[in-house]
Parts: sequence; structure tokens; C-alpha cells
Amino acid sequence: GNSVTQMEGPVTLSEEAFLTINCTYTATGYPSLFWYVQYPGEGLQLLLKATKADDKGSNKGFEATYRKETTSFHLEKGSVQVSDSAVYFCALSPNQAGTALIFGKGTTLSVSS
Amino acid sequence: DSGVTQTPKHLITATGQRVTLRCSPRSGDLSVYWYQQSLDQGLQFLIQYYNGEERAKGNILERFSAQQFPDLHSELNLSSLELGDSALYFCASSVVGTSSYNEQFFGPGTRLTVL
Repeated sequence: GNSVTQMEGPVTLSEEAFLTINCTYTATGYPSLFWYVQYPGEGLQLLLKATKADDKGSNKGFEATYRKETTSFHLEKGSVQVSDSAVYFCALSPNQAGTALIFGKGTTLSVSS
Repeated sequence: DSGVTQTPKHLITATGQRVTLRCSPRSGDLSVYWYQQSLDQGLQFLIQYYNGEERAKGNILERFSAQQFPDLHSELNLSSLELGDSALYFCASSVVGTSSYNEQFFGPGTRLTVL
């Protein structure tokens, strides 16, 4: 079946540090991959996406590359800010229109100044 | 602002009661999804509606039901509530077309507390 595994948190970093949050997936076919972010007390916001192998999604300084050979979609940012503190969810959508997203368990990021 | 609205924002009720959560999708989106977020289970898909009809079911309990109305808003009904039903309930919407891409837009959620 389809599943997403992401690294356990919490991740605690100092401002301007480099961030990596690992995400691997299991899926049949060619899923679309997403990173969503949830700020405290808010809903989920789409951070970035990739729809085919070798695509790189990017937004707000965050990047992730769809690696089919390693079934991975790791999230990276070169220099984190305090405002990046949130919970990050990796998700996949099976290659069928209009299907539910399958989420990882989420990784809490805490950035201190 | 995603364009998806959910009401109420907070709901506190007692065990055994019944509640209704409401969701209005983004303008033009035909598909509505309901997810439950709890500390132990994470984000779990409950049910999906597309243009008024049930499209897919996930880990939805028999005590829970949903529907989508002609104006495309959706309601999630939770009955015989138990303490373990306390969670954040999210609604999401998407445009379902011929593309396999499936970006979903999430509402702010309804926090349900069962006492």
C-alpha cells in the first residue's frame, strides 16, 4: 500500500542553521509529493510540491527534490528563521485524480534566536 | 487564507452527544475531504465527497457520517461521542479534473473536545 515515513522530531535548531527533514515513501506508480506546514493554532498550508521524478519543488527558501530511485522527498532550507517554527508534514497523492492525501506523522521544528 | 471555511472553530461537548461540523470549499472546487488530526493517530483521512456523492472512505467510524449538499458545502456528523473523538477535524477541497495532480487546500479546522 501507500505510505509516508518522515523523521521523528522534534528538531531544534538555532537561527540561520541548515535544515533537513527526511521523508521517504512507498507507493505504486508515480505519486505526487507534497510538503505541508502547520503553524501553531492554524490549519495546513501547502509549502511545496513535485509531481514527477526529478522535479524540485521550492517556496520561501525551502526545497525538496522528488527522487524516485531512493523514494525520497527530503525537505531542506539553507538558513532557518524563528518564524519557520512549525510542524511539517510530508504527503503523497497516488497517481489518480481526486484521491485523499496520505500524510507522514509530522516533524516539529523549533528555531531559537 | 486558503478559501476553505470551517465552522465552528471550537466545540466542547459531552460524551454520548452528537455534533455537526460544517465546511465550505473553495469556489469552484467540487471535491471535499475530511481529515482527523489527533496526537496518537496523526492526520487520518475520513471521507471524501465529489459533487455531492461519496467518493472514498478512509478510517471513518460507523458513528460518523458526512454529506455534501447541492451548493457543495459539506457537513460531518459525529454521534455517540467518546472521549477519544477529541481531535482537530480538517476539511480540504480540491479541483478534480483529468490531471493526476491533486493539490488540496485545507480549512483552519474545528477543534472538538469531548468531556
